[in-house]
Amino acid sequence: GDSVTQMEGPVTLSEEAFLTINCTYTATGYPSLFWYVQYPGEGLQLLLKATKADDKGSNKGFEATYRKETTSFHLEKGSVQVSDSAVYFCALRAKAAGNKLTFGGGTRVLVKP
Amino acid sequence: AAGVIQSPRHLIKEKRETATLKCYPIPRHDTVYWYQQGPGQDPQFLISFYEKMQSDKGSIPDRFSAQQFSDYHSELNMSSLELGDSALYFCASSRYDSGKENIQYFGAGTRLSVL
Repeated sequence: GDSVTQMEGPVTLSEEAFLTINCTYTATGYPSLFWYVQYPGEGLQLLLKATKADDKGSNKGFEATYRKETTSFHLEKGSVQVSDSAVYFCALRAKAAGNKLTFGGGTRVLVKP
Repeated sequence: AAGVIQSPRHLIKEKRETATLKCYPIPRHDTVYWYQQGPGQDPQFLISFYEKMQSDKGSIPDRFSAQQFSDYHSELNMSSLELGDSALYFCASSRYDSGKENIQYFGAGTRLSVL
């Protein structure tokens, strides 16, 4: 079945550090890929997406590139802020399996001043 | 902009009781999804509705049922509650658009505690 694997947290960083969260997937065909962010006590917010190979999603300084060869969608940000502290979820939508999202286990990121 | 509204935000129930969670999608969205997120877990897909018809079914227990009404809001009914049903329940909505990625927008969730 479809699955998403992402690096376990927590990831603790200092402000202005470089952030990478690894995400790999298994799916039939070519899924759409997403990163969602969950701030404390809140729901999931779409951070960025990519719908086909080599697409790069970007938003709020975050980037992720859809790599078909390595079935990966790693999230990166060059300089994190304290406000980026949250749980980040990688997710896929297998187009042959309807519209449901399959999520990874989430990675908690803590940015210290 | 209007978002997905879920009610209640918090709910405390005893074992074997029933609970009803409500979800009001973003205006003009025609599809509703329900997800369950256990403590420290990733969200798991339960069920979805498109134009008031069930469109997909995931790992939803038989004790749970859901429907989408004519105004597109949805309700998740949970009976014979168990301790393991304690979780954050998310609703998401999207608007079907052929040929485009139908982005799911999530509500803030309902936190259900079963005692």
